[in-house]
Amino acid sequence: TQLLEQSPQFLSIQEGENLTVYCNSSSVFSSLQWYRQEPGEGPVLLVTVVTGGEVKKLKRLTFQFGDARKDSSLHITAAQPGDTGLYLCAGPTQGGSEKLVFGKGTKLTVNP
Amino acid sequence: NAGVTQTPKFRVLKTGQSMTLLCAQDMNHEYMYWYRQDPGMGLRLIHYSVGEGTTAKGEVPDGYNVSRLKKQNFLLGLESAAPSQTSVYFCASSLPPTGGRYFGPGTRLTVL
Repeated sequence: TQLLEQSPQFLSIQEGENLTVYCNSSSVFSSLQWYRQEPGEGPVLLVTVVTGGEVKKLKRLTFQFGDARKDSSLHITAAQPGDTGLYLCAGPTQGGSEKLVFGKGTKLTVNP
Repeated sequence: NAGVTQTPKFRVLKTGQSMTLLCAQDMNHEYMYWYRQDPGMGLRLIHYSVGEGTTAKGEVPDGYNVSRLKKQNFLLGLESAAPSQTSVYFCASSLPPTGGRYFGPGTRLTVL
């Protein structure tokens, strides 16, 4: 069974701080997706990384896919209260791309 | 475009009652999915569809049925609700199965 472990589970920081959250697995993934979910809403896709070592930037968010394609990280620079939410990573299973496996998420709170 | 819509947004059932959750998408996506999200468990795939008239089981299909009579609609049915089905249900769609998921706003279901 392919699992995605996310850490930390909870993170509370002050506005302006930098942070990194992690998504790790013992399995190789062909790609990984990152989502942000705000309270009472569905997850929203932020980015997909597909190549080992790939780095993608989305404004203050930097996503990296590990060289071995077993892990990924999300770094946020100068966090803002609007970054508050649940960050989820997800990857296609060996059973087929339809069966996306999700990590349990990192709940981020950015305090003003 | 409305994207992915779900009805109802909230529902309370008694054990043994039945109900149907409706999902609609206006993006002409072939693939549609039903997930449930529970604290500490993350998002888990219930059923999915690779096109009109097709359905397939996901990770946690027991107690649920689905139908995809029209490409834009995906229905999730609970024939005899149980308290263990108390959860938040999300519908999602994607163009290719490797693509990111577009999620609806969710339905919060409580079974008493």
